[in-house]
Amino acid sequence: TQLLEQSPQFLSIQEGENLTVYCNSSSVFSSLQWYRQEPGEGPVLLVTVVTGGEVKKLKRLTFQFGDARKDSSLHITAAQPGDTGLYLCAGGGNEKLTFGTGTRLTIIP
Amino acid sequence: DVKVTQSSRYLVKRTGEKVFLECVQDMDHENMFWYRQDPGLGLRLIYFSYDVKMKEKGDIPEGYSVSREKKERFSLILESASTNQTSMYLCASSLTTSGSYEQYFGPGTRLTVT
Repeated sequence: TQLLEQSPQFLSIQEGENLTVYCNSSSVFSSLQWYRQEPGEGPVLLVTVVTGGEVKKLKRLTFQFGDARKDSSLHITAAQPGDTGLYLCAGGGNEKLTFGTGTRLTIIP
Repeated sequence: DVKVTQSSRYLVKRTGEKVFLECVQDMDHENMFWYRQDPGLGLRLIYFSYDVKMKEKGDIPEGYSVSREKKERFSLILESASTNQTSMYLCASSLTTSGSYEQYFGPGTRLTVT
């Protein structure tokens, strides 16, 4: 069974600070997605990374896929209250995704 | 933009009732999925379908069935609702040929069984 562990599970920081959340597995994935979910809504796809070592930037968010395609990180620069939400990573290898355990992020104004 | 819609945002049903949750996607995606999401348990796959009239069990199919008569529509059925099926239900779709397995989610249905 493929598992994706995310850390930290909860993170609460002040507006303007930087943060990194991690997504780790012992399995290799052919792609990895990051989603953000706001309360009462469905997850929204933020980014997909497919190449080992790949780095993608989305405004203040930087996503990295590990060289061995087993892990990923999400770095947020100068966090804003709008970044608050549940961040989920998901690994792909076939039609079914393996979802991580999630990081619940709260940005305090 | 991919759009996945779910028939209800909130639903309250009584124990023993038959419940239908509907999901429609407008992007001609082959694959459709039903998940439930519970605090501390994350997203758990109930069923998925990779083509019309095709279905496969996910991790927690007990107490649920599905129907896919048309490519754009995937229904989740609770034959006899029970209180332990109170949850957030999420539908998703994906394109087989994308190669990246990205899934696009609906807004969710929060089901309460009393």
